[in-house]
Amino acid sequence: EPEVTQTPSHQVTQMGQEVILRCVPISNHLYFYWYRQILGQKVEFLVSFYNNEISEKSEIFDDQFSVERPDGSNFTLKIRSTKLEDSAMYFCASSDRGGLDTQYFGPGTRLTVL
Amino acid sequence: QKEVEQNSGPLSVPEGAIASLNCTYSDRVSQSFFWYRQYSGKSPELIMSIYSNGDKEDGRFTAQLNKASQYVSLLIRDSQPSDSATYLCAGQGGGTYKYIFGTGTRLKVLA
Repeated sequence: EPEVTQTPSHQVTQMGQEVILRCVPISNHLYFYWYRQILGQKVEFLVSFYNNEISEKSEIFDDQFSVERPDGSNFTLKIRSTKLEDSAMYFCASSDRGGLDTQYFGPGTRLTVL
Repeated sequence: QKEVEQNSGPLSVPEGAIASLNCTYSDRVSQSFFWYRQYSGKSPELIMSIYSNGDKEDGRFTAQLNKASQYVSLLIRDSQPSDSATYLCAGQGGGTYKYIFGTGTRLKVLA
């Protein structure tokens, strides 16, 4: 069964460093998302991406964040200058058609900012 | 009112019992709803989606949606210890595709 994959599974970085989290969505899906979950808190939407551009972003997704689809398979989230409060699980998700279509989540990347 | 609200639990049920998980939502979240299961440290795993008023059954799981009362529920029949997890309710709405999650309800099935 096709699945969303994410790398790395765990990333440790120093405050102020740049990190890139990588995702490979399900191959025929067209809509891509990033969510994050701070430990003990709810899953929060960050950004959605369709047709090579951001379709929606949350207040969390400020200028320190960017997303890119550098090729036909990868979808990346970059955090330019990490802060302690960026420590969280980051989940990539994809869906076939957006709208009512189900979003399938990857296994997540645990980001720890020291 | 929060957009999607869930009781954080824990909800404890004996093995073999029916577990009932509830979720209420605001006017901003009215389009479609999803139940996910999340084990500690893992990603959300889809259980069911529901879009229309009424019940939807899939194996041991039944989702119920009542748009007039703005609630959605998940029933788990014949609960097993392996069902012990946090159950996340998510909704879509407001003309966007993003999911808005509740805080999740922690379920403990006692053997």
